[in-house]
Amino acid sequence: EDKVVQSPLSLVVHEGDTVTLNCSYEVTNFRSLLWYKQEKKAPTFLFMLTSSGIEKKSGRLSSILDKKELFSILNITATQTGDSAIYLCALAYSGAGSYQLTFGKGTKLSVIP
Amino acid sequence: GAVVSQHPSRVICKSGTSVKIECRSLDFQATTMFWYRQFPKKSLMLMATSNEGSKATYEQGVEKDKFLINHASLTLSTLTVTSAHPEDSSFYICSARVSGTPRSPLHFGNGTRLTVT
Repeated sequence: EDKVVQSPLSLVVHEGDTVTLNCSYEVTNFRSLLWYKQEKKAPTFLFMLTSSGIEKKSGRLSSILDKKELFSILNITATQTGDSAIYLCALAYSGAGSYQLTFGKGTKLSVIP
Repeated sequence: GAVVSQHPSRVICKSGTSVKIECRSLDFQATTMFWYRQFPKKSLMLMATSNEGSKATYEQGVEKDKFLINHASLTLSTLTVTSAHPEDSSFYICSARVSGTPRSPLHFGNGTRLTVT
């Protein structure tokens, strides 16, 4: 059973559009939720969220966590073709007495000119 | 579908010993698997690309004699940390892609927490 579910699986938008990517999760012993942009070498870390309701922002990207409803969203405003990538959501939690990390399947974003 | 299993999830070893971590694609074949190390600030560093039936490709700065990678079958890659030292303590993650689909998403294992005492 998937602990992390991302939606949509893929998305095609035009440059300048705003997109919202979703990540829902189900786990006990939550530690944090992480967003990555999958690049050629390795996923690039974007955000780590631990507290509900506090928006994290970096340029055109922002993210927020809702620990009550168990989801997070990643927003990208004024999208550019360089934003085309697979965006990964990962859940860090404590399991079997240690740090565990589970990735979602990712959302493939395609930004067309 | 497309599950990657990593084992063990946690291992504690003494300095100087070697540790083997397995990465298996359970329901698909993976010609290529990737090994990463997660740092305290959560960034992932690609260590090496594991290729079935051939030598792994290591990233700059990663010691191939210390981090031995074997990809003996289309469903299994192993990372052996040889003569482990406390500075090797980290979270190691593998990922795999379905063979023949270079543009498809990567599927990640759940990681291995290595602690070297």
